[in-house]
Amino acid sequence: EAGVAQSPRYKIIEKRQSVAFWCNPISGHATLYWYQQILGQGPKLLIQFQNNGVVDDSQLPKDRFSAERLKGVDSTLKIQPAKLEDSAVYLCASSPFNEGQETQYFGPGTRLLVL
Amino acid sequence: KQEVTQIPAALSVPEGENLVLNCSFTDSAIYNLQWFRQDPGKGLTSLLLIQSSQREQTSGRLNASLDKSSGRSTLYIAASQPGDSATYLCAVKSSNTGKLIFGQGTTLQVKP
Repeated sequence: EAGVAQSPRYKIIEKRQSVAFWCNPISGHATLYWYQQILGQGPKLLIQFQNNGVVDDSQLPKDRFSAERLKGVDSTLKIQPAKLEDSAVYLCASSPFNEGQETQYFGPGTRLLVL
Repeated sequence: KQEVTQIPAALSVPEGENLVLNCSFTDSAIYNLQWFRQDPGKGLTSLLLIQSSQREQTSGRLNASLDKSSGRSTLYIAASQPGDSATYLCAVKSSNTGKLIFGQGTTLQVKP
């Protein structure tokens, strides 16, 4: 079974530029998550999708971050414009559903550096 | 608001030692607690998941315990090996919000 795929793996941009990350979850997984992991910290949930609907985006900085999951499969996360403090690893995860008992499967992450 | 704390932040041990990583959480309303491993430049790999009704889980040389009433979990690694060197993250799934809340991690180095 293929795992969660993410691209690109690394991205370096200058502040005020735009950037987009892509995630393809495990086939059949209804729930998809985007996390932000700043160096030295644990991951923090940005947004959670159930199929193609948003379940929780309370910690997404909506003035600059946006995410979509068209057709309930793969997803993109966009930052526009980027700030220095957005430098982090962006992790995508998926799970079969969100009933509390199951684990989340994480992708390798995209490492973003904003200069 | 659920907060998860891991102590110590970093740990260095000689190969072969048994060691314990600690995790504490402030709200006992959880579905489960999970321990993850993260290698440099990689994503997270789930090691052990303990449901709220369970006290411990074991996998090979790893044993994780959960004391929900005191808000504590430990990850015990027996006979440590250099390949165990990684960052270990503890996370609780809140039964109030359904969110996975992570600690900041313990970075382990096992020296040959």
